[in-house]
Amino acid sequence: GDSVTQMEGPVTLSEEAFLTINCTYTATGYPSLFWYVQYPGEGLQLLLKATKADDKGSNKGFEATYRKETTSFHLEKGSVQVSDSAVYFCALSGAAGTALIFGKGTTLSVSS
Amino acid sequence: KAGVTQTPRYLIKTRGQQVTLSCSPISGHRSVSWYQQTPGQGLQFLFEYFSETQRNKGNFPGRFSGRQFSNSRSEMNVSTLELGDSALYLCASSLGTGNEKLFFGSGTQLSVL
Repeated sequence: GDSVTQMEGPVTLSEEAFLTINCTYTATGYPSLFWYVQYPGEGLQLLLKATKADDKGSNKGFEATYRKETTSFHLEKGSVQVSDSAVYFCALSGAAGTALIFGKGTTLSVSS
Repeated sequence: KAGVTQTPRYLIKTRGQQVTLSCSPISGHRSVSWYQQTPGQGLQFLFEYFSETQRNKGNFPGRFSGRQFSNSRSEMNVSTLELGDSALYLCASSLGTGNEKLFFGSGTQLSVL
């Protein structure tokens, strides 16, 4: 079945460092891909999404490009801030009407 | 506009008991999904309700059940609690089924002793 694999965390960075969180997926057909973020004590929030190959989702300085040839959707940010410390989840949506499938999450910790 | 509201925020139960969790979706949202979040398994889909009908169900035992009311509010019930049911239970709402933008509540943290 469909699945999402994320890099294991935690990822620890200094402020203004470059961030990459790897995400690969297995799916039949052409899924939509998402990144969600969970701040401490809160629920998940949609960060960005891409619905077809070569689409780039972006929001708040974060970007991810839907790469069908490598079945990947890596999250990047050029300069992280302490406020970016959170857990990041990669997810996919397969056939219409099916539930979102999430990766296990990657914890990011940014220090000043 | 109020967000997704889950009650209670924290819950402590003992093995064998049952528990009911509540979720009030964003006004106008008709779909409610439930997820179980644990450190080991991450987020696992429990079920989705749309217009009072269960549309999707994850791979959980029958002890986990849910329902949705005519005002779109949803409850999930876990009977005969086991230690492994300790988790954060997240509810998410969306405008319609198949709508991919989910809005999550802060969750109910269930501890089973």
